[in-house]
Parts: sequence; C-alpha cells; structure tokens
Amino acid sequence: AQRVTQPEKLLSVFKGAPVELKCNYSYSGSPELFWYVQYSRQRLQLLLRHISRESIKGFTADLNKGETSFHLKKPFAQEEDSAMYYCALRPGTYKYIFGTGTRLKVLA
Amino acid sequence: DTGVSQDPRHKITKRGQNVTFRCDPISEHNRLYWYRQTLGQGPEFLTYFQNEAQLEKSRLLSDRFSAERPKGSFSTLEIQRTEQGDSAMYLCASSSRGPEEAFFGQGTRLTVV
Repeated sequence: AQRVTQPEKLLSVFKGAPVELKCNYSYSGSPELFWYVQYSRQRLQLLLRHISRESIKGFTADLNKGETSFHLKKPFAQEEDSAMYYCALRPGTYKYIFGTGTRLKVLA
Repeated sequence: DTGVSQDPRHKITKRGQNVTFRCDPISEHNRLYWYRQTLGQGPEFLTYFQNEAQLEKSRLLSDRFSAERPKGSFSTLEIQRTEQGDSAMYLCASSSRGPEEAFFGQGTRLTVV
C-alpha cells in the first residue's frame, strides 16, 4: 500500500530550539518525497524535495530508505516557521499522496 | 494576483443540489490537477488534465463528480446531487512540467447542509 504517515498533529517548540517533523512512508518502488508548507491564510506551496537535497529556509530533509522516513529538520526554529507542514509521496508521474499534516507552532 | 485562481472561494449548498467550481490555472501551464481536502486530512488526488485531456481519475471521483477542461485552459469540477460527505476544500493546481512544480490555488470550501 502507498501511504504517508505523519504521527504528530501538533508540534510546539520554543524559538531557537531544534525542530524535527516526522514523516514515514510506505511504497514498494523508488520513492520521490516532498515537503509542502501552508502558512496561515496562504496557499499550499512546495518547501523542498528529496531529489534536490537542498536547504530551504534552513530546513533540510534526508531520505532514509532503511527506516522509510523523510523527516524535516531545522536546527533553530523561528516564529515565522509556524505553519502546517505536509509530507508527500509521488508514486506516479503526476499525483501526490499527502500525509495528514503536522501543525508547527513556534513559541516566543 | 497572477497565480492559480479558484471561484467561488466558499459555497454553501443544500444536500441534493448540484454545484460547479472553476479553476483558472497560470496561463502558460498545460497541466492541471484537482485535489480534495477534508478536515484534519491532507489533500487527496482527484483528477489530472494535460491540456484538454483528462488522463487520470481517482477512485474517489464517483459518478456524481465530473471535471472538464475545454480548450485546455480553465477547468470546472461539478458535483451532482451533493451529499454531506462532499463537504471539503477543493484545491486546484497547475504546472508546466511535473507536479513538483505545481502551484496551488486557494481552494473552494464547500459546505453541504
């Protein structure tokens, strides 16, 4: 079965603290994984993709095939990081399977 | 705003009525996607168009749902005989290449009462 699991509905951290948003996937093929973010009253937008191995807004995510995980990390959280984060798997050429999302709250 | 535009932003309808939503993609984008998002869930894929051709439909799209993209420009999503379970946010996205380049609209929130 193709599935994305985000175990935490809400994650609260203090400003300056490290952040890790968990994502596990189930897929028999070679996965393509992404993180999307939705800030308050804004559209869903791509944050980063595993294939480009980039750091966006200080966030990174490493694909761990052994643990079937793609956790999103940032060493020092900022208040503007508060948002809804969705992990997504692309099993085909043009659709995503999204997780249920994690709301990140960064406290001052 | 030159991004993906969806209309209306909100729709309240009585059970059994038909509703139609419109999506205007970014002008040079030939690929268009519809997703549905219910409360507490992530977006779920509904259907995909490349130009005017509907290339994939999810099993979530029952016979009451139909989507069109005449002339490969704007798209419409129609729901016939709405049910309370159809209450959701309907998202449209467009891209010029693969879906990782997709830009999402702000969605149409449907409430069936």
